[in-house]
Amino acid sequence: NAGVTQTPKFQVLKTGQSMTLQCAQDMNHNSMYWYRQDPGMGLRLIYYSASEGTTDKGEVPNGYNVSRLNKREFSLRLESAAPSQTSVYFCASSERGSEAFFGQGTRLTVV
Amino acid sequence: DQQVKQNSPSLSVQEGRISILNCDYTNSMFDYFLWYKKYPAEGPTFLISISSIKDKNEDGRFTVFLNKSAKHLSLHIVPSQPGDSAVYFCAAKDGNTGKLIFGQGTTLQVKP
Repeated sequence: NAGVTQTPKFQVLKTGQSMTLQCAQDMNHNSMYWYRQDPGMGLRLIYYSASEGTTDKGEVPNGYNVSRLNKREFSLRLESAAPSQTSVYFCASSERGSEAFFGQGTRLTVV
Repeated sequence: DQQVKQNSPSLSVQEGRISILNCDYTNSMFDYFLWYKKYPAEGPTFLISISSIKDKNEDGRFTVFLNKSAKHLSLHIVPSQPGDSAVYFCAAKDGNTGKLIFGQGTTLQVKP
C-alpha cells in the first residue's frame, strides 16, 4: 500500500516563482490536510479539506492556495514563492474519528 | 494563538525509566486527541489516541491520559527504550470542523 504520496520530495525555487505540491492518497479517506513544519513551530495547518470539493483555511493559509479536485488528490500551490515559505511540507489524510496518515514530506527551499 | 501547546521542547531520560510528555489545549471543541512520533526526514507516524469520553488509553508501553477539566493530556512511556528517541507531537481534532491541530513537539532522548 502506498498510503499518502507526495511529489516532489525536494524543490528549490527562486523568489517569485510558482509551483504546485502534489499529494495523493489511496485509502479512500474523505479528509486531507496540508501542514508545514518549521523548527520550534511544530506542524502548522495550512489548509484542510473535509471532503471532495471542499476546502477550509488552517492556521497559516496566507501565500497558499489549494485544490481538491477529487477524493484522492489534494494539491498545494505557491503562486509567488517567498523565502519565508522555506519549510518542510507534509500532506495527510484521515477519516473522521481516526488517525491521520502522513506522506514523507516535501523539502522546499526558496532563495 | 496556539491552541495546542507542548511547553517542554526536550526531555532526556535513562533507558528503563518512565518518560512523561505533556500537552495542553485551549479549544473546548477538541474531541479526539492523538500522539505522533517523528524521526528526521520522515513523516509523522501515529502512536496512540484517546477520545474525549475517556480518561485513559493504553497500548503496550504507551499510555495516554486525558484530564478534560484541566485541558491537559500526557503520554507515558514505560519502560523507555533508546529506540523511542524521536520528536513527539501532540495533536487534537476539532469535533466541529474536523481540523487536526498539532503542538510544537517535544524531542525525547533516551540514554542507554
